[in-house]
Amino acid sequence: DTGVSQDPRHKITKRGQNVTFRCDPISEHNRLYWYRQTLGQGPEFLTYFQNEAQLEKSRLLSDRFSAERPKGSFSTLEIQRTEQGDSAMYLCASSLETGKETQYFGPGTRLLVL
Amino acid sequence: EDQVTQSPEALRLQEGESSSLNCSYTVSGLRGLFWYRQDPGKGPEFLFTLYSAGEEKEKERLKATLTKKESFLHITAPKPEDSATYLCAVQMYSSASKIIFGSGTRLSIRP
Repeated sequence: DTGVSQDPRHKITKRGQNVTFRCDPISEHNRLYWYRQTLGQGPEFLTYFQNEAQLEKSRLLSDRFSAERPKGSFSTLEIQRTEQGDSAMYLCASSLETGKETQYFGPGTRLLVL
Repeated sequence: EDQVTQSPEALRLQEGESSSLNCSYTVSGLRGLFWYRQDPGKGPEFLFTLYSAGEEKEKERLKATLTKKESFLHITAPKPEDSATYLCAVQMYSSASKIIFGSGTRLSIRP
């Protein structure tokens, strides 16, 4: 299977701890996106990379959130000092820059902050 | 403000009972409209992309259509395995890097 993969699939942590998620995009895709989804809602955009450059960040992405994409391949999303409100599904998507690209999503990482 | 609204929020159908899901949007400069299917606990699965009014796409029992203000996802003779949440999303020319999702329609098909 050469789709988007995410690790871990589930994460339970205590409030105040730091967590890091990984996303591996489809191999030839140069664009990578992070979204957050809460129960009963559609995914909300967090940030976007083109190759290794982070080109856009949502206002939802507070200072406790940081994302990287070294070498333009996999990406990590770190949340520092987690809060209960951070509990959500974190989704990664990738696309190939063509002008009319479709974003393909991974299975997501479900985070529960106790 | 750019907005995507899906209706109904939930829809329960009998197997074989055809229906339509609606996605209305108010955006400045539509670049593309996407339909995704999402099963519980999984990521969205891509179904269709529509780019211009009048365009239609079909896949098995699903057909998506687009007008200047809304899109419909028609489901013909659905089966229980079609049960899922269907998400609509739009991409604008002003910010081609991100897409804005609606809240989805939860579709349940009874055998």
